[in-house]
Amino acid sequence: SAVISQKPSRDICQRGTSLTIQCQVDSQVTMMFWYRQQPGQSLTLIATANQGSEATYESGFVIDKFPISRPNLTFSTLTVSNMSPEDSSIYLCSVQYFAAANQETQYFGPGTRLLVL
Amino acid sequence: AQTVTQSQPEMSVQEAETVTLSCTYDTSESDYYLFWYKQPPSRQMILVIRQEAYKQQNATENRFSVNFQKAAKSFSLKISDSQLGDAAMYFCAYEMDSSYKLIFGSGTRLLVRP
Repeated sequence: SAVISQKPSRDICQRGTSLTIQCQVDSQVTMMFWYRQQPGQSLTLIATANQGSEATYESGFVIDKFPISRPNLTFSTLTVSNMSPEDSSIYLCSVQYFAAANQETQYFGPGTRLLVL
Repeated sequence: AQTVTQSQPEMSVQEAETVTLSCTYDTSESDYYLFWYKQPPSRQMILVIRQEAYKQQNATENRFSVNFQKAAKSFSLKISDSQLGDAAMYFCAYEMDSSYKLIFGSGTRLLVRP
């Protein structure tokens, strides 16, 4: 399996500011994903981030609000811009890891807990 | 659009007993993957078990097994010999073969009574 780390693990931010979350993987992966988990809710996909191309955003999420970078095969960042209290959530990155043929599985980072005041 | 439904918001089981968590999904695809993830209070999403839709045999991982009914679009998780460490939120997830995007159910909170 892949080992994934995220920074920061948690943060408290003021409304109107921006926060950049980092995701680091211990092996090279093509596909990385960013999810949001609002309080007491399930996970919702924000975007897919492939190295060498623009991120692909899901309905309801836009690049101006959630810009994503993917500079290489082991790293990605998600920025939450112009934050409001509604952005308070856990943000998780994940990677599609191919242990073997037909054995691809998605592994998750530990998450970043964001509280916006 | 694909959807995943977990109809049990919360389940409770006695330690050492067996519990089954339900999941149904809706899709028109024939090739896909199904997963159960566990999220303890630490919030780390942990893969419990995966099932390929083209396989008729139900997946098993130690005390965890699934009952995959493709025609009924049902994918339940059975936890045998429940342990206190099994207490967590359990999410059922669907992955379309070609996109790798995961669609999650709403989750089931599992409580384990000592």
